[in-house]
Amino acid sequence: DGGITQSPKYLFRKEGQNVTLSCEQNLNHDAMYWYRQDPGQGLRLIYYSQIVNDFQKGDIAEGYSVSREKKESFPLTVTSAQKNPTAFYLCASETEPYGYTFGSGTRLTVV
Amino acid sequence: AQSVTQPDIHITVSEGASLELRCNYSYGATPYLFWYVQSPGQGLQLLLKYFSGDTLVQGIKGFEAEFKRSQSSFNLRKPSVHWSDAAEYFCAVANTNAGKSTFGDGTTLTVKP
Repeated sequence: DGGITQSPKYLFRKEGQNVTLSCEQNLNHDAMYWYRQDPGQGLRLIYYSQIVNDFQKGDIAEGYSVSREKKESFPLTVTSAQKNPTAFYLCASETEPYGYTFGSGTRLTVV
Repeated sequence: AQSVTQPDIHITVSEGASLELRCNYSYGATPYLFWYVQSPGQGLQLLLKYFSGDTLVQGIKGFEAEFKRSQSSFNLRKPSVHWSDAAEYFCAVANTNAGKSTFGDGTTLTVKP
């Protein structure tokens, strides 16, 4: 079945560590997105990419980095510069004009 | 800049009762509007969308929404709620120039037996 796979489901990060969240899709979609979700704050856009080898900052890009070397993959790195990384991270691809298919998320916790 | 407001943080309804979740948007042009549902610990699933045309749109799981330009609203409705509808619901508006969407803060629905 086609869809978006996010891994791992749970991730623990030590202070000062970089971690990378994986997002893979087999839907042949061009546009992909990373959102951060905190309780009571809805979804906030971190980065998005509309084609391979190109991406744009979203509303809260500081402390994060991405790459888009392949159409299927859009990994997100949470760097040590992100001071409050504990959150639920969602990856999405554009299924139809401005409508998204989401992965099942990665919950990142700082320990 | 576009924005979305969901005035109700939490709503409780009895099983079998009707449901209306409110969404107000701010956008300079004709909006593209969406409703998504999220079960705990999961991603979001698209329920329905409005682009143009008929202002009453039908979606999956028996949901519908009505676009009212005069009120800048896109409220989600269901005639009879089932216990499995308990979840968080998000309204979103697309910025067609920037190729991205803005989401509301969500409304949590609890269904009483």
